[in-house]
Amino acid sequence: QSVLTQPPSVSGAPGQRVTISCTGSSSNIGAGFDVHWYQHLPGTAPKLLIYGNINRPSGVPDRFSGSKSGTSASLAITGLQAEDEADYYCQSYDSSLYVFGTGTKVTVL
Amino acid sequence: EVQLVESGAALVQPGGSLRLSCAASGFTFSNSPMSWVRQAPGKGLEWVSAINDKSDIIKYADSVKGRFTISRDNSKKTLFLQLNSLRVEDTAVYYCAKRFGSGPADYYFDHWGQGTLVTVSS
Repeated sequence: QSVLTQPPSVSGAPGQRVTISCTGSSSNIGAGFDVHWYQHLPGTAPKLLIYGNINRPSGVPDRFSGSKSGTSASLAITGLQAEDEADYYCQSYDSSLYVFGTGTKVTVL
Repeated sequence: EVQLVESGAALVQPGGSLRLSCAASGFTFSNSPMSWVRQAPGKGLEWVSAINDKSDIIKYADSVKGRFTISRDNSKKTLFLQLNSLRVEDTAVYYCAKRFGSGPADYYFDHWGQGTLVTVSS
């Protein structure tokens, strides 16, 4: 059972802004552990999107941004594009183990 | 270019065993902590197990502890996952993933393989 909670789905029209929340607790995000985000298309390898709460790996468009506050974190996608339709997962650390969020499916209308 | 290629996909009966492999290239495998992460059909990502570069720190998710064993052969740049006492709920695509580094802020995965499917069914 995931200890990080995400909304099951979010949707938006092309060009719009969507946000995905990731709610944890005092033993993971609230304990100061960083939050990282992955994009996952079915049948492919998950891709690192954001690391260390706010940082983008080389090659990730600046349309993707991350933030963290207290026991929660968020991923924002601005200027939504059709290619952004995928599943998104947050990930952190808890009790010396890796934990993933429940996952959010982003649909581009 | 970093490449992680999993193998070992199979259909196994409940209670059976299987070994997965992950061949690594394009980076210094012997310096890199690694993990296995799985995704059951229709479910999200679930971290399974982790091993550090020297194989002296190993961790498991509670759901697989005592049944799965992670190991590595640095000379062959290969990561393994031995799956024993398999259950129907272990059915999933299993991904190997490279941890970014060994530092205290490096608890994330910068490269992943394409995954290998394990199906547990009678």
